[in-house]
Parts: sequence; structure tokens; C-alpha cells
Amino acid sequence: RKEVEQDPGPFNVPEGATVAFNCTYSNSASQSFFWYRQDCRKEPKLLMSVYSSGNEDGRFTAQLNRASQYISLLIRDSKLSDSATYLCVVNSPGGAGSYQLTFGKGTKLSVIP
Amino acid sequence: DGGITQSPKYLFRKEGQNVTLSCEQNLNHDAMYWYRQDPGQGLRLIYYSQIVNDFQKGDIAEGYSVSREKKESFPLTVTSAQKNPTAFYLCASSIKRQYEQYFGPGTRLTVT
Repeated sequence: RKEVEQDPGPFNVPEGATVAFNCTYSNSASQSFFWYRQDCRKEPKLLMSVYSSGNEDGRFTAQLNRASQYISLLIRDSKLSDSATYLCVVNSPGGAGSYQLTFGKGTKLSVIP
Repeated sequence: DGGITQSPKYLFRKEGQNVTLSCEQNLNHDAMYWYRQDPGQGLRLIYYSQIVNDFQKGDIAEGYSVSREKKESFPLTVTSAQKNPTAFYLCASSIKRQYEQYFGPGTRLTVT
């Protein structure tokens, strides 16, 4: 099982639609979780940290299900500017007190006029 | 403005030459990282550093070297031993290793 797995898409949705991305992770000891967005040929940018109770930032809602080891990102009222690749990122403990961020390969979203 | 800078944005080199990519941050972050991204692929960790004068190999360190002489700077050298050096190279930093990372704009390296 891959460490962090995402549906690569692409997800093609009309403007105004609601779209959800899921991400699964394999390490049950993982401690923190993030969603990044990456525009074409640009660097990833932090979109949201994911808290255990779930959190919302405007049109974006992130949720964590530790029992099933998945994280979700919901985007409501999609805008053309939301078109990007969304990366799921998981922070897991390594050896000797270290940590490792593992990036999923990303889910591509295209919002269509 | 606080942030992470990488230079140059585009770099072209002939096969067999070593090349050094610059990464500077003024966020006062302890940890810095280098990643490589190939088309359609996820980010792969090359090297990371949690503190000045210390760095650790990531998943794909072969053919690369780094130094961390100053907190603000973490240059990456792509050596001639790296078999497939053409890629998008991203530098990142975080307060500590377990926290969220912030990325620089990246350097696109093409080796012919």
C-alpha cells in the first residue's frame, strides 16, 4: 500500500459545483496532515492544515478520519481560480524522534466555465 | 517581505558539469529541505537539514550534495553522478521538522 494515496483525476467540474477529494495514508502513527495546492509549473502552497475535529476556511473544509486513515478536502462553489493540483501531505514519525512529510502525487482539478 | 528565494528560475547545463542551486530563507526556520519533482510525479525528498552544520539524506540523495553553513542558506549541488538531473527542484523550510513546510518558487534544471 502506498504511503499517501490520492485519486489523480482529473476532476472536471462546472463553476459553482461542490467537489470532494479523498486521500488515504498507511501509517497509523501519522500525526499531522495538510492540503497544499500546486498550480501548473509553480511551487506547492499550503492551503490548510487538517485538525482532528475538522476545520473550515471559507469555501474549503478539511476533515480527518483517523480510524479509516483518510483525509478529505471539500470545495464548495468552485471558482475558475480553484483549478490546480491538490496535494495531500502526511507527517509521520520516523526513527529516533524524527518526522517525515510524505506527499501524495496530487489530484488535478479543472473548473470549467 | 519574509520568504524563500531560489535562483535561478531556469538553468541549463551540459552533461558532466556540476551545478549548484541556491536556496535562501529569511523566515528564521530551523529546518530546510530539497525536493525534486518530475512531470506527473509527486515530490521526492533529496536532502533535509534540521539545524546548521547538520543534514540528512532523503529518499533520492545519490548524485546530490548539500551544505548548511548558515541558518538562512541551504544550497544543493547536482553532480555529474546524478543520472537523470533534468527536473524541477524545490526548496522548502519549516519552523521545525514536524511542522508545515513553505516552498520557494523552484528552479527548472535542464541538462543536455
